Amino acid sequence: GIQVEQSPPDLILQEGANSTLRCNFSDSVNNLQWFHQNPWGQLINLFYIPSGTKQNGRLSATTVATERYSLLYISSSQTTDSGVYFCAVVGGGADGLTFGKGTHLIIQP
Amino acid sequence: EAQVTQNPRYLITVTGKKLTVTCSQNMNHEYMSWYRQDPGLGLRQIYYSMNVEVTDKGDVPEGYKVSRKEKRNFPLILESPSPNQTSLYFCASSFQIPTSGRSVAFFGPGTRLTVL
Repeated sequence: GIQVEQSPPDLILQEGANSTLRCNFSDSVNNLQWFHQNPWGQLINLFYIPSGTKQNGRLSATTVATERYSLLYISSSQTTDSGVYFCAVVGGGADGLTFGKGTHLIIQP
Repeated sequence: EAQVTQNPRYLITVTGKKLTVTCSQNMNHEYMSWYRQDPGLGLRQIYYSMNVEVTDKGDVPEGYKVSRKEKRNFPLILESPSPNQTSLYFCASSFQIPTSGRSVAFFGPGTRLTVL
């Protein structure tokens, strides 16, 4: 099946810093979503972005489908951005979402 | 408000005692699925359903059952829970974007299950 790798696995930053999270996938995809899992365990849908670039406030995402990667940018980080960020794709013949292992982000005040 | 709901949100039970986790969506989505999340393993799909009365196994179906009698509901059934089913469970529903064939998934709030 399709493989999804996220990097870095852990990231600790000071409030106000910018960050870039990466998602690599091993096959062509017809869906790619970024999720934020907050410290209470809830999965929040950030972006649906199988290709191209989108922005939502301080967050933006870019997927280069031909090169099989996606990037999530967080600017001017806030403590509420802490949590785990997951990339998930549909591809490689599977019907459901295949998740990466996530990037654990800690924003310190 | 468009949403996916799950109940219960937290459950502590004992080995062998049958339980059901309910999942309901109000978006008229055809595709629904269940995932479990475990440390170091990420989220893995348990079962999915393409439509009413159509269900199929995901990556980790052992020990679970599902049913899809109505479009909005997709309960997850553990007939005889075991401690290795202690996990965080998510239900999701998806819709397909017309003409593109691509789908977008929405997740419920999660159910934290502990089996003693």
